[in-house]
Amino acid sequence: NAGVTQTPKFRVLKTGQSMTLLCAQDMNHEYMYWYRQDPGMGLRLIHYSVGEGTTAKGEVPDGYNVSRLKKQNFLLGLESAAPSQTSVYFCASSYSSGQETQYFGPGTRLLVL
Amino acid sequence: DQQVKQNSPSLSVQEGRISILNCDYTNSMFDYFLWYKKYPAEGPTFLISISSIKDKNEDGRFTVFLNKSAKHLSLHIVPSQPGDSAVYFCAASGSGTYKYIFGTGTRLKVLA
Repeated sequence: NAGVTQTPKFRVLKTGQSMTLLCAQDMNHEYMYWYRQDPGMGLRLIHYSVGEGTTAKGEVPDGYNVSRLKKQNFLLGLESAAPSQTSVYFCASSYSSGQETQYFGPGTRLLVL
Repeated sequence: DQQVKQNSPSLSVQEGRISILNCDYTNSMFDYFLWYKKYPAEGPTFLISISSIKDKNEDGRFTVFLNKSAKHLSLHIVPSQPGDSAVYFCAASGSGTYKYIFGTGTRLKVLA
Protein backbone atom coordinates (compact mmCIF):
# COMPACT_ATOMS: atom_id res chain seq x y z
CA ASN A 1 0.00 0.00 0.00
CA ALA A 2 1.88 3.05 -1.28
CA GLY A 3 -0.61 5.67 -0.09
CA VAL A 4 -0.07 8.94 -1.94
CA THR A 5 2.84 9.17 -4.36
CA GLN A 6 4.13 12.15 -6.31
CA THR A 7 6.23 12.34 -9.46
CA PRO A 8 8.80 13.83 -9.88
CA LYS A 9 10.50 14.45 -6.53
CA PHE A 10 12.55 17.39 -7.81
CA ARG A 11 12.60 19.45 -10.98
CA VAL A 12 14.35 22.53 -12.31
CA LEU A 13 12.57 24.56 -14.97
CA LYS A 14 13.43 27.65 -16.94
CA THR A 15 10.96 30.53 -17.00
CA GLY A 16 8.30 29.87 -19.63
CA GLN A 17 8.68 26.09 -19.68
CA SER A 18 5.77 23.83 -18.93
CA MET A 19 5.49 20.71 -16.84
CA THR A 20 3.00 18.38 -15.21
CA LEU A 21 3.17 17.06 -11.67
CA LEU A 22 1.53 13.69 -11.12
CA CYS A 23 -0.19 12.57 -7.95
CA ALA A 24 -1.45 9.04 -7.50
CA GLN A 25 -3.30 7.45 -4.59
CA ASP A 26 -4.21 3.83 -4.03
CA MET A 27 -6.65 4.32 -1.16
CA ASN A 28 -9.76 4.75 -3.33
CA HIS A 29 -10.19 8.30 -2.01
CA GLU A 30 -12.75 10.56 -3.62
CA TYR A 31 -11.12 13.87 -2.73
CA MET A 32 -7.73 15.06 -3.88
CA TYR A 33 -5.88 18.32 -3.32
CA TRP A 34 -2.83 20.22 -4.50
CA TYR A 35 -1.02 22.53 -2.07
CA ARG A 36 2.08 24.61 -2.24
CA GLN A 37 4.32 25.31 0.71
CA ASP A 38 6.43 28.43 0.86
CA PRO A 39 8.59 29.71 3.73
CA GLY A 40 6.50 31.59 6.27
CA MET A 41 3.28 30.86 4.37
CA GLY A 42 2.24 27.42 5.50
CA LEU A 43 0.31 25.21 3.10
CA ARG A 44 -1.93 26.94 0.58
CA LEU A 45 -4.53 25.17 -1.48
CA ILE A 46 -4.10 25.52 -5.25
CA HIS A 47 -6.86 23.31 -6.67
CA TYR A 48 -8.90 20.40 -5.43
CA SER A 49 -11.20 17.69 -6.75
CA VAL A 50 -14.23 16.11 -5.11
CA GLY A 51 -14.43 13.25 -7.57
CA GLU A 52 -13.36 11.89 -10.93
CA GLY A 53 -13.91 14.45 -13.68
CA THR A 54 -14.40 17.38 -11.29
CA THR A 55 -12.01 20.13 -10.22
CA ALA A 56 -12.31 23.40 -8.32
CA LYS A 57 -10.13 26.38 -7.48
CA GLY A 58 -8.49 26.82 -4.12
CA GLU A 59 -6.80 29.87 -2.59
CA VAL A 60 -3.98 30.35 -5.13
CA PRO A 61 -5.06 28.85 -8.49
CA ASP A 62 -3.53 31.38 -10.89
CA GLY A 63 -0.91 29.94 -13.23
CA TYR A 64 -1.97 26.34 -12.62
CA ASN A 65 -4.37 23.90 -14.23
CA VAL A 66 -5.49 20.49 -13.02
CA SER A 67 -7.18 17.40 -14.33
CA ARG A 68 -8.77 14.37 -12.68
CA LEU A 69 -9.46 11.95 -15.50
CA LYS A 70 -9.06 8.90 -13.30
CA LYS A 71 -10.11 8.61 -9.68
CA GLN A 72 -6.64 7.64 -8.52
CA ASN A 73 -4.74 10.40 -10.33
CA PHE A 74 -4.67 14.17 -9.95
CA LEU A 75 -2.43 16.15 -12.30
CA LEU A 76 -1.16 19.67 -11.71
CA GLY A 77 0.03 21.57 -14.77
CA LEU A 78 2.15 24.67 -15.14
CA GLU A 79 1.71 26.00 -18.67
CA SER A 80 4.34 28.73 -18.48
CA ALA A 81 6.45 28.50 -15.35
CA ALA A 82 7.44 31.65 -13.46
CA PRO A 83 10.04 32.11 -10.69
CA SER A 84 7.14 32.85 -8.29
CA GLN A 85 6.11 29.22 -8.72
CA THR A 86 9.31 28.00 -7.09
CA SER A 87 7.93 26.04 -4.18
CA VAL A 88 7.34 22.63 -2.67
CA TYR A 89 4.15 21.07 -3.95
CA PHE A 90 2.17 18.57 -1.92
CA CYS A 91 -0.68 16.41 -3.06
CA ALA A 92 -3.21 15.06 -0.57
CA SER A 93 -6.28 12.86 -0.63
CA SER A 94 -9.16 12.12 1.69
CA TYR A 95 -11.79 9.42 1.83
CA SER A 96 -15.13 11.12 1.60
CA SER A 97 -17.07 14.26 2.26
CA GLY A 98 -17.08 15.97 5.58
CA GLN A 99 -14.11 16.68 7.74
CA GLU A 100 -11.93 13.75 6.89
CA THR A 101 -8.22 13.51 7.51
CA GLN A 102 -6.11 14.32 4.49
CA TYR A 103 -3.20 12.03 3.62
CA PHE A 104 -0.23 13.73 2.02
CA GLY A 105 2.35 12.68 -0.52
CA PRO A 106 6.09 13.29 0.00
CA GLY A 107 6.17 16.47 -2.05
CA THR A 108 7.74 17.77 -5.27
CA ARG A 109 10.39 20.44 -5.01
CA LEU A 110 10.24 22.77 -8.01
CA LEU A 111 12.80 25.42 -8.85
CA VAL A 112 12.01 27.87 -11.63
CA LEU A 113 15.00 29.87 -12.88
CA ASP B 1 -5.75 37.81 5.84
CA GLN B 2 -4.47 34.80 7.76
CA GLN B 3 -7.45 32.94 9.19
CA VAL B 4 -5.28 30.43 11.05
CA LYS B 5 -2.22 31.73 12.85
CA GLN B 6 0.70 30.07 14.55
CA ASN B 7 2.54 32.99 16.05
CA SER B 8 5.58 31.08 17.27
CA PRO B 9 7.79 30.07 14.34
CA SER B 10 9.97 27.92 16.58
CA LEU B 11 10.11 26.33 20.01
CA SER B 12 12.87 24.48 21.88
CA VAL B 13 12.11 22.12 24.75
CA GLN B 14 14.17 19.77 26.85
CA GLU B 15 13.57 16.05 26.46
CA GLY B 16 11.01 14.82 28.99
CA ARG B 17 9.39 18.22 29.47
CA ILE B 18 6.08 19.44 28.06
CA SER B 19 5.86 21.04 24.62
CA ILE B 20 2.96 23.44 24.07
CA LEU B 21 2.21 24.58 20.54
CA ASN B 22 -0.41 27.24 19.99
CA CYS B 23 -2.79 28.11 17.19
CA ASP B 24 -5.32 30.93 16.85
CA TYR B 25 -8.11 31.29 14.32
CA THR B 26 -10.37 34.14 13.31
CA ASN B 27 -13.25 32.46 11.49
CA SER B 28 -16.04 31.52 13.91
CA MET B 29 -17.43 29.11 11.29
CA PHE B 30 -14.47 26.74 11.79
CA ASP B 31 -15.63 23.71 13.70
CA TYR B 32 -13.02 21.03 13.07
CA PHE B 33 -9.32 21.27 13.74
CA LEU B 34 -6.33 19.07 13.07
CA TRP B 35 -2.65 18.98 13.85
CA TYR B 36 -0.12 17.65 11.36
CA LYS B 37 3.54 16.86 11.91
CA LYS B 38 6.09 17.29 9.14
CA TYR B 39 9.64 15.99 8.98
CA PRO B 40 12.11 17.47 6.44
CA ALA B 41 11.70 16.14 2.89
CA GLU B 42 8.47 14.36 3.82
CA GLY B 43 4.79 15.18 3.52
CA PRO B 44 2.75 16.21 6.56
CA THR B 45 1.29 13.34 8.57
CA PHE B 46 -1.89 13.51 10.61
CA LEU B 47 -1.39 13.70 14.36
CA ILE B 48 -4.64 14.48 16.17
CA SER B 49 -7.95 16.22 15.60
CA ILE B 50 -10.71 17.87 17.59
CA SER B 51 -14.28 18.80 16.84
CA SER B 52 -15.84 21.97 18.20
CA ILE B 53 -18.26 19.91 20.31
CA LYS B 54 -15.29 18.93 22.47
CA ASP B 55 -12.76 20.98 24.37
CA LYS B 56 -10.12 18.27 24.72
CA ASN B 57 -8.93 15.23 22.83
CA GLU B 58 -6.14 12.90 23.89
CA ASP B 59 -4.06 10.34 22.04
CA GLY B 60 -1.17 8.93 24.01
CA ARG B 61 1.39 11.67 24.63
CA PHE B 62 -0.57 14.15 22.53
CA THR B 63 -3.48 16.26 23.78
CA VAL B 64 -5.28 19.01 21.91
CA PHE B 65 -7.25 21.65 23.78
CA LEU B 66 -9.86 23.88 22.16
CA ASN B 67 -11.07 27.18 23.61
CA LYS B 68 -13.89 28.28 21.31
CA SER B 69 -14.57 31.57 23.03
CA ALA B 70 -10.95 32.58 22.60
CA LYS B 71 -10.70 30.95 19.14
CA HIS B 72 -7.56 29.22 20.33
CA LEU B 73 -6.26 25.68 20.28
CA SER B 74 -3.11 24.17 21.66
CA LEU B 75 -1.22 20.92 21.27
CA HIS B 76 0.48 19.49 24.33
CA ILE B 77 3.17 16.83 24.01
CA VAL B 78 4.10 15.12 27.26
CA PRO B 79 6.78 13.93 27.66
CA SER B 80 8.60 15.41 24.71
CA GLN B 81 11.05 13.15 22.88
CA PRO B 82 13.82 13.96 20.38
CA GLY B 83 11.80 12.16 17.68
CA ASP B 84 9.09 14.81 18.13
CA SER B 85 11.41 17.39 16.56
CA ALA B 86 9.50 18.48 13.45
CA VAL B 87 7.34 21.26 12.07
CA TYR B 88 3.77 21.21 13.40
CA PHE B 89 0.89 22.67 11.42
CA CYS B 90 -2.59 23.31 12.71
CA ALA B 91 -5.46 23.30 10.22
CA ALA B 92 -9.11 24.29 10.44
CA SER B 93 -12.25 23.71 8.42
CA GLY B 94 -15.93 24.59 8.55
CA SER B 95 -18.77 22.11 8.21
CA GLY B 96 -19.92 21.61 4.64
CA THR B 97 -16.52 22.50 3.18
CA TYR B 98 -13.89 20.15 1.86
CA LYS B 99 -11.04 22.52 2.45
CA TYR B 100 -8.67 23.06 5.30
CA ILE B 101 -6.90 26.32 6.08
CA PHE B 102 -3.41 25.71 7.40
CA GLY B 103 -1.34 27.77 9.77
CA THR B 104 2.25 28.71 8.96
CA GLY B 105 3.75 26.03 11.22
CA THR B 106 5.88 25.90 14.36
CA ARG B 107 9.25 24.20 14.30
CA LEU B 108 9.71 22.16 17.47
CA LYS B 109 13.16 21.12 18.57
CA VAL B 110 13.41 18.68 21.47
CA LEU B 111 16.85 18.76 23.04
CA ALA B 112 18.34 15.53 24.38
